[in-house]
Amino acid sequence: DAGVTQSPTHLIKTRGQQVTLRCSPKSGHDTVSWYQQALGQGPQFIFQYYEEEERQRGNFPDRFSGHQFPNYSSELNVNALLLGDSALYLCASSSTEHYGYTFGSGTRLTVV
Amino acid sequence: GESVGLHLPTLSVQEGDNSIINCAYSNSASDYFIWYKQESGKGPQFIIDIRSNMDKRQGQRVTVLLNKTVKHLSLQIAATQPGDSAVYFCAEIHYGNNRLAFGKGNQVVVIP
Repeated sequence: DAGVTQSPTHLIKTRGQQVTLRCSPKSGHDTVSWYQQALGQGPQFIFQYYEEEERQRGNFPDRFSGHQFPNYSSELNVNALLLGDSALYLCASSSTEHYGYTFGSGTRLTVV
Repeated sequence: GESVGLHLPTLSVQEGDNSIINCAYSNSASDYFIWYKQESGKGPQFIIDIRSNMDKRQGQRVTVLLNKTVKHLSLQIAATQPGDSAVYFCAEIHYGNNRLAFGKGNQVVVIP
């Protein structure tokens, strides 16, 4: 049984560019949350998707947007990249039936 | 891979000794608490959880203690092994918003 799958694993982008990160949730999970983890910090909540809609959002600008597809997979889009967006982006899936979260290994984004 | 633990408090422990990692949480209304382990280049991995109506829960080699009076959570690891070397995060959830809020991490280094 595959856990949470994220792609790509590493990515290098230039300031001002746009990026799309992808996440496939664990089988049986219907909710996807995205987190940003800067080096040496704990993960920070970006937003959460359920039933193809953004259900909650953390303190991140509108440059960060997302999408959830009918198969529960999700994308995170970041526009107009800044150097400060360099971080590990984590996807976590969960089920509305219980509070267990499963994390993927993340996408390491470097903005130069 | 890159270290997750830069600038984090570090606990150095001799192999075979017990480890205690502490965490102060912020929301007195949180309902559920989780300890995660994060190894370099990987996403957070679930260790153990505890509900707010409990003060202690034991797993295999791990024990979580919850003190709601002072909003303090601790993780005890018995007979620490080299594979326990990682960064450890506590996280809290309030059932009303169903999002994980992570505390500051602690790096554990096991000395063989």
